[in-house]
Amino acid sequence: AQTVTQSQPEMSVQEAETVTLSCTYDTSENNYYLFWYKQPPSRQMILVIRQEAYKQQNATENRFSVNFQKAAKSFSLKISDSQLGDTAMYFCAFMSQSPGAQKLVFGQGTRLTINP
Amino acid sequence: EPEVTQTPSHQVTQMGQEVILRCVPISNHLYFYWYRQILGQKVEFLVSFYNNEISEKSEIFDDQFSVERPDGSNFTLKIRSTKLEDSAMYFCASSGTRGDTQYFGPGTRLTVL
Repeated sequence: AQTVTQSQPEMSVQEAETVTLSCTYDTSENNYYLFWYKQPPSRQMILVIRQEAYKQQNATENRFSVNFQKAAKSFSLKISDSQLGDTAMYFCAFMSQSPGAQKLVFGQGTRLTINP
Repeated sequence: EPEVTQTPSHQVTQMGQEVILRCVPISNHLYFYWYRQILGQKVEFLVSFYNNEISEKSEIFDDQFSVERPDGSNFTLKIRSTKLEDSAMYFCASSGTRGDTQYFGPGTRLTVL
């Protein structure tokens, strides 16, 4: 079974700083997807970024980028020029590409606080 | 922009009662999911549904749970006899194809007293 581990329960940075959230996962599969979801105080789960394992290029969405290290099974999220609205719980998630497997497996989450 | 909607936003029920949580997935999506998040814990997969049948379910999804797509738009989760430990946030999600990004609804907070 796949597992996802986020080793930083909480992080706090000043507005405009860059912050990196860590995520490692365990799988024996070669093809899969990785995601970062954001959960603000409203508790809605919002997609931040997605990475396909077969792609060597790291995904980027505006101020958000990932560092995907397939051999190390690491998938960190970098937030540049952090904003107050980035304050949220961030979840790393894994999804297999195996037939019939559609579920997202989530990590425990990292609570990120952006201070003014 | 299309979005997943869920009703009610908060449901309070007595232990042993049946509850039905409702979701309207994004209209052209074909895959539907339920997840739950107990307060302070990670999000856990419950069930996935495609082509009018369950395609995958977790150990949590026991005989007390059922899902249904009663019409072309709604997707429901029924808990037959609620327990205290069913208190959680329940999220519905949908995706267009298998492997596509899952888009989540705002959640239903279920409180079992």
